[in-house]
Amino acid sequence: EVQLVESGGGLVQPGRSLRLSCAASGFTFDDYAMHWVRQAPGKGLEWVSGISWNSGSIGYADSVKGRFTISRDNAKNSLYLQMNSLRAEDTALYYCAKLLIDSSGDAFDIWGQGTMVTVSS
Amino acid sequence: SSELTQDPAVSVALGQTVRITCQGDSLRSYYASWYQQKPGQAPVLVIYGKNNRPSGIPDRFSGSSSGNTASLTITGAQAEDEADYYCNSRDSSGNSWVFGGGTKLTVL
Repeated sequence: EVQLVESGGGLVQPGRSLRLSCAASGFTFDDYAMHWVRQAPGKGLEWVSGISWNSGSIGYADSVKGRFTISRDNAKNSLYLQMNSLRAEDTALYYCAKLLIDSSGDAFDIWGQGTMVTVSS
Repeated sequence: SSELTQDPAVSVALGQTVRITCQGDSLRSYYASWYQQKPGQAPVLVIYGKNNRPSGIPDRFSGSSSGNTASLTITGAQAEDEADYYCNSRDSSGNSWVFGGGTKLTVL
């Protein structure tokens, strides 16, 4: 079964750090780019960051650039998001998602269930 | 960065056809993908590319695109289709992704 399982969320004070993890199974992890997408309570989806299969290409949303770092360990089938200098507006459910790319275009075809990050004093 | 614009809410009578639209400059260069999200659940991909449905998505869901507008059409809407729908594409640079604000679909 293809599966993504996020972990590492929790309650953290503003300015502190948190590291999210995403464990992948059921597919060849190092064949695919992986991404983080977040959703603030009651709000829409926001793309956060993405990393290519070999970590050679990385991108960030302007809202997290310079504070968040995405990485992956293909040997462990795992994706990570290091979040530093957290702000109240980073409070959200964080999903990891697999990027499907084929001749028809690209899309996030597999999503985890998310891990909740709450930034509050 | 670019934006994708969706109507906040749309309603459809049971069994009727509804179209949900998404507008943005990046859609002139990239296809949109569409996601269905029900309360308390993760998003589910329903349409991507020119008009591709992942395995398990009913064929009442279809996609199209013209100029800067992408559309998701549900032909014969069912009660279980009531959900939030989000469009997504790469932004104009091709190096980032952007989501629309979402459309809440109500099936009457």
